[in-house]
Amino acid sequence: EVQLVESGGDWVQPGRSLRLSCSASGFTFRDYALHWLRQSPGKALEWVSGVTWTGGTIGRAASVQGRFSISRDNPNSALFLQMDSLTVEDTALYYCARERKRSSVNYFFDIWGRGTLVTVSS
Amino acid sequence: DIQMTQSPSSVSASVGDRVTITCRASQDIGSWLAWYQRKPGEAPKLLIYAASSLEGGVPSRFGGSGSGTEFTLTISSLQPEDFATYYCQQAHSFPPGFGGGTKVEIK
Repeated sequence: EVQLVESGGDWVQPGRSLRLSCSASGFTFRDYALHWLRQSPGKALEWVSGVTWTGGTIGRAASVQGRFSISRDNPNSALFLQMDSLTVEDTALYYCARERKRSSVNYFFDIWGRGTLVTVSS
Repeated sequence: DIQMTQSPSSVSASVGDRVTITCRASQDIGSWLAWYQRKPGEAPKLLIYAASSLEGGVPSRFGGSGSGTEFTLTISSLQPEDFATYYCQQAHSFPPGFGGGTKVEIK
């Protein structure tokens, strides 16, 4: 079964850091670009960042520029999101998602995880 | 950034009803549009990509249409498992962006 499972969400205080992980199974991980997206309470889904199949950063949303970085470990089928200088506005359910077409970036996300919750509060 | 506006924000419908959801883009996005279904506690599900292409395994009662700035998701005969929130998303320009969602509720 093709699957993505996020982990690492937690409650943290403003200014602290957190690292999210996404474990993949059921497909050839190294062939696909991957993305992080999030949804804050009462807000629309927001694309956060993406990484190509070779590990190049696709980009970051303006709201996380300079604070979040994405990376991947192809041999271990894992995706990461390092989040620094967290603010209350980063409180959200964070999803990892797979690009629909292998070896391309079209921003159509065909496989998603169930999400991991990040709460930033003092 | 391209703004995506969905309407209505919620709709009450009965099993067997035809449901139509509209998504408007703030500028021309061609056919670079996707539709997703999300249920609480579940992973979001891709229904439609490229405005009208049905993702594999998605029932044929789901259909997408439109191009440019106006798009529609239609559920031809609503089933109990279709009660969920639906989102459109533009894939034309960086950064990809989503509409605010349409919650389909039981009437």
